[in-house]
Amino acid sequence: AQSVTQPDIHITVSEGASLELRCNYSYGATPYLFWYVQSPGQGLQLLLKYFSGDTLVQGIKGFEAEFKRSQSSFNLRKPSVHWSDAAEYFCAVRTNFGNEKLTFGTGTRLTIIP
Amino acid sequence: DAMVIQNPRYQVTQFGKPVTLSCSQTLNHNVMYWYQQKSSQAPKLLFHYYDKDFNNEADTPDNFQSRRPNTSFCFLDIRSPGLGDAAMYLCATSRDRSSNEKLFFGSGTQLSVL
Repeated sequence: AQSVTQPDIHITVSEGASLELRCNYSYGATPYLFWYVQSPGQGLQLLLKYFSGDTLVQGIKGFEAEFKRSQSSFNLRKPSVHWSDAAEYFCAVRTNFGNEKLTFGTGTRLTIIP
Repeated sequence: DAMVIQNPRYQVTQFGKPVTLSCSQTLNHNVMYWYQQKSSQAPKLLFHYYDKDFNNEADTPDNFQSRRPNTSFCFLDIRSPGLGDAAMYLCATSRDRSSNEKLFFGSGTQLSVL
């Protein structure tokens, strides 16, 4: 079964600084990979996804993520964070066999300081 | 414009008193999911409907039931809530169950059990 690990429970970044959130997955083949964001009091919103092709994917709100097969990683990055980026970020994986459930990591809470 | 709507936003119930959470969607999606998210944990899939076909996860307790009377609505029934059932309950939809399909989430219902 697939699994997802987000090693960082909480990250604090200064506004305007760069950001990288880590995600590692465990699966025998290349899965479908997603990053979702959950703002306080809100549901989850899809930031970006990777299925195949270019390993660097662009998402909404200026986020990007890079798939690295050799490291089984799909880290999320943003060059310059804004105060509105403060939220919980979830990496998720789904197998490419179809009809498989989306498995989430435990999330990384991002705090932005002035 | 909300596409997946969950009511109520906050729900308080008593230990052992049945409670129903509701979800509606304006997307006309075939699949509706219910996730349980406990504090600082990943969302965990309880079950989903593919059209009228109910699909229960193997580890979902019998205490949790669901109904989907039509395409737009889906309900989560907790027959005898325990203290351990206090959590955020997230409803999500997708057009179909393909692995590359995006999930659309509601804002969630925060359930407290007294």
